[in-house]
Parts: sequence; structure tokens; C-alpha cells
Amino acid sequence: QKEVEQNSGPLSVPEGAIASLNCTYSDRGSQSFFWYRQYSGKSPELIMFIYSNGDKEDGRFTAQLNKASQYVSLLIRDSQPSDSATYLCAVRGGSYIPTFGRGTSLIVHP
Amino acid sequence: NAGVMQNPRHLVRRRGQEARLRCSPMKGHSHVYWYRQLPEEGLKFMVYLQKENIIDESGMPKERFSAEFPKEGPSILRIQQVVRGDSAAYFCASSSNTGEVDTGELFFGEGSRLTVL
Repeated sequence: QKEVEQNSGPLSVPEGAIASLNCTYSDRGSQSFFWYRQYSGKSPELIMFIYSNGDKEDGRFTAQLNKASQYVSLLIRDSQPSDSATYLCAVRGGSYIPTFGRGTSLIVHP
Repeated sequence: NAGVMQNPRHLVRRRGQEARLRCSPMKGHSHVYWYRQLPEEGLKFMVYLQKENIIDESGMPKERFSAEFPKEGPSILRIQQVVRGDSAAYFCASSSNTGEVDTGELFFGEGSRLTVL
């Protein structure tokens, strides 16, 4: 059973702070890792994907992957109230079927 | 709009009726996924299809649920004899999954929200 674990939160941070979202996965054969953002009542949309160990930066977002520890994280710098949403971690192996975590609810308060 | 199109957006059924959810993938995509989402929960994989072919249906209940993606027309998720526990948001997503253009990204439709009375 492939599992993807996330703390459901909510994670509450003040505006301008760094939000750190974490995800662990069970399948060591996983190859691709994704972070999606989902606003309430809306569909998920991709923020970032990462394939290799290390950091990947895109604007205010940084994804970090550690395959040895089976751990992937998302950092959001200079958090804004508009970042308030649920963040879904997804992991894909060779089957082309992404497995999603339950999501972490992020609240950025002014 | 060449995005993933799902309909209906909202569907109300009484117990025992049938629900049919439709999904047209993004233009150029030949792979369709169906996921179910309950309130405060993540996306649960149901089925993965290509045109005229079910690739993986390991997440779909054995009874009452079926899916297809015909050569022509949208993918359809069919739920027979619905029960209250089927009430959920059903999301369809598509991807290219082909060679060099495959980033693994799923493009989601807006979802179909099924309510069973």
C-alpha cells in the first residue's frame, strides 16, 4: 500500500513569514513528487514538481526532496493571505498514478 | 477553453438511482484519471484510462462503479444504485504521459459534486 502522509494542520503563519509544509511517503520506488494547491471548493492546481534530491526554487516557492529519508517539503517565503489554501503532496512511481496525501491546510493571517 | 471539462458540476440523486459523470480531457491528452474527494480528505485514486482501455482500476469499488473512455466522446464514470456514502466530489484529471513532454503533471477539471439524498 503506497502511502503519502501529511499533517492536516491547520498551519497558521503571519503574513510575510515562511510557511513550511512537509510530506513523507512509503514507496521507495517513487520517482516524481508534486505539490498542488487547492482552494476551498475548487480543483487542485500544480505549484511545483521535483524529481531529484535537493532544492528546487520557483519564485516564492521552494521544494525540497530527500529520497533517502523519503521526505519532501514545500517552503513558501513571504507568505500572503492569498496563499491560504490546502496544499496536497502527490507522489508518483512507475505506474503513472499519482498518490495524494490528505493535504495540509495553511492559513496566512494579516 | 482547452482545459479539462467536467459535467455536471452538481448532481443530486436519490438512493438507488444512477449517476453519470462526464469528463473531456485537455486537448492533446489521451490519459484520464478519476479521483474521489470527501470533505477534509485528500484525493483518492479510482481509475486510470486511456482511449478504449482501462489501465488501472484498483481504486474503484468492485460493485456499482464502472468507467469508460471511448474512442469518441468523453470519459464517463458511472455509479449505479447510489448510496449516501457515494456523496463526494469526483475529480477528473488528464495528462499527456508521453515521452519527453511528460512532467507527470495532472490537469484537473472543476469536479462533479454528487449529493445522494
